[in-house]
Amino acid sequence: QLQLQESGPGLVRPSETLSLTCTVSRGSVSTTEFHWGWIRQTPEKGLEWIGSIYLSGSTYYSPSLESRVTISLDTSRNQFSLKMRSVTAADTARYYCARLNWNDGRIRYWGQGTLVTVSS
Amino acid sequence: EVVLTQSPGTLSLSPGERATLSCRASQSVRGNYLSWYQQKPGQAPRLLIYSASNRPTGIPDRFSGSGSGTDFTLTISRLEPEDFAVYYCQQYGGSPPWTFGRGTKVELK
Repeated sequence: QLQLQESGPGLVRPSETLSLTCTVSRGSVSTTEFHWGWIRQTPEKGLEWIGSIYLSGSTYYSPSLESRVTISLDTSRNQFSLKMRSVTAADTARYYCARLNWNDGRIRYWGQGTLVTVSS
Repeated sequence: EVVLTQSPGTLSLSPGERATLSCRASQSVRGNYLSWYQQKPGQAPRLLIYSASNRPTGIPDRFSGSGSGTDFTLTISRLEPEDFAVYYCQQYGGSPPWTFGRGTKVELK
């Protein structure tokens, strides 16, 4: 079954850019049925959808994060990526990549998550 | 944005008991696109129910979902030891954003 795996630095300095990549295996990102997205989790705010991307390249972002976030898709590598600029301690979280069903919103497949700490 | 409120915050029960978890939306959830997830420590959320009442393949039938509009319920008919976890509801109105509730912890009494 489909597998997703996040990768990237576990520590990012304040004001810098957080960069994560999600590698998809046992399936393809080149599908019109799903979005590929990022969700983060903190004890303070719980689960928070960051944004998602569709095969066409269309992107959708949380209004609260839109000014700092970019999600991109690399079909040749079967990956998608997250960049979050100007991070602060409030961006410390466990970040999950996931496949989101565009029709009914279900999220069947998640990565295991990666903890990103923002600290100097 | 649709806000989801889950109650209770914590549910203390024993194995074999029935668990009833509530999720209330601040406005009607379009298409009843309401999902439920189970999360255990150190793990990603696991999809239990989608579109309010549908179970994905592989989810035991002791898990059931009901409701429509603004009020939804997840029922675990008889708690097994592995069911003690945190449960989240999530809504999707046919287009982004996806929003989540704050969770209900089902703990061992």
